[in-house]
Amino acid sequence: DAGVIQSPRHEVTEMGQEVTLRCKPISGHDYLFWYRQTMMRGLELLIYFNNNVPIDDSGMPEDRFSAKMPNASFSTLKIQPSEPRDSAVYFCASSLGQPKLLNQPQHFGDGTRLSIL
Amino acid sequence: AQSVAQPEDQVNVAEGNPLTVKCTYSVSGNPYLFWYVQYPNRGLQFLLKYITGDNLVKGSYGFEAEFNKSQTSFHLKKPSALVSDSALYFCAVRDRAGGTYKYIFGTGTRLKVLA
Repeated sequence: DAGVIQSPRHEVTEMGQEVTLRCKPISGHDYLFWYRQTMMRGLELLIYFNNNVPIDDSGMPEDRFSAKMPNASFSTLKIQPSEPRDSAVYFCASSLGQPKLLNQPQHFGDGTRLSIL
Repeated sequence: AQSVAQPEDQVNVAEGNPLTVKCTYSVSGNPYLFWYVQYPNRGLQFLLKYITGDNLVKGSYGFEAEFNKSQTSFHLKKPSALVSDSALYFCAVRDRAGGTYKYIFGTGTRLKVLA
């Protein structure tokens, strides 16, 4: 099991540029989550998908953020235009929804450390 | 609304001594409770969970957690700490009555095991 794979691991870019973060969930997992981690705000859920469909995006900070899941093995989180306050570590996680959705642990990738200058 | 609190930002313990990392929760129904660990530059790793049944839950790496409904607590414990246990620990809760698949994570507790 390769685990959740995120790319790139580090991204440094200038304010105003478009940033795309990528995630490959564990094969067979039907739930995918995007989180953001900062010292000030801790771990925040941005959006999650079930069977490639966005279920709850209430954590997406603003319209500059968008996420897609075109198929079961790939998701992207895009920021356009990026701002310095978007600097954080972004995590992708996946989980099974069965046999009991409520008690399934999440499996996290190692994150993308994003720095916006 | 459901919430989880980790009252200690940091816990220091000597190697070989028992450790406790505290977590309290607030939910409207019966809780699902989880502990995760995060090592530097890594994602969170699942340690253990409480769903129902025995109040003492055993997990990975020798960790265990005690569920106490009357005190609404779910403290993480280990009988003998290792230097390699030094990491950031997160408690998380999901409300069984919540109807939404969201974890609420605590702010994390940094555990430092001193040699």
